[in-house]
Amino acid sequence: EAGVTQSPTHLIKTRGQQATLRCSPISGHTSVYWYQQALGLGLQFLLWYDEGEERNRGNFPPRFSGRQFPNYSSELNVNALELEDSALYLCASSLPATAVRTPLHFGNGTRLTVT
Amino acid sequence: EDQVTQSPEALRLQEGESSSLNCSYTVSGLRGLFWYRQDPGKGPEFLFTLYSAGEEKEKERLKATLTKKESFLHITAPKPEDSATYLCAVHSGGGADGLTFGKGTHLIIQP
Repeated sequence: EAGVTQSPTHLIKTRGQQATLRCSPISGHTSVYWYQQALGLGLQFLLWYDEGEERNRGNFPPRFSGRQFPNYSSELNVNALELEDSALYLCASSLPATAVRTPLHFGNGTRLTVT
Repeated sequence: EDQVTQSPEALRLQEGESSSLNCSYTVSGLRGLFWYRQDPGKGPEFLFTLYSAGEEKEKERLKATLTKKESFLHITAPKPEDSATYLCAVHSGGGADGLTFGKGTHLIIQP
């Protein structure tokens, strides 16, 4: 069974540019989550999509946005890049969220570097 | 507000030296506790899910246990390949995504 796949693995952008990161979930998973992991810090929740809709977002500015496609894949867009956006961006997928939560399965991330 | 605290922040052991990692949590109605392993530059790898106090799960040299206030990840006779950061996360229904992650324990196993 293929795991969560993310592309690209590395992305280098200049301050002020836009970045687009992509994620394909595990087959059968309808929920997709995005997390930011800056160097030395914990996982910070960005966005949660389920069945094509944004269910919730973390404490990040509106220039962080995304969407989920009918095939449940997702993309994360970061506009007006700032130096502090440099981080590992992780995508995770899971079965639909219920009262009993099934685990998230993570991809290996996209390393975004803003210069 | 849900809180998850992992200790110690870092742990260095000799190969074969058993130890335990701690995950203390304060949540409103636990719906699941998850342990992950993360290698440098990679995404977290799922290890265990625990749902209720008294539950235990085992996988090779790792055993996870759960009480009403904390979880332990016991590592028996570790090998250098067990070196990684171990993350604990809880789902309570609170928080933006319902999942609150700890900051992890960085484990180094020396040969």
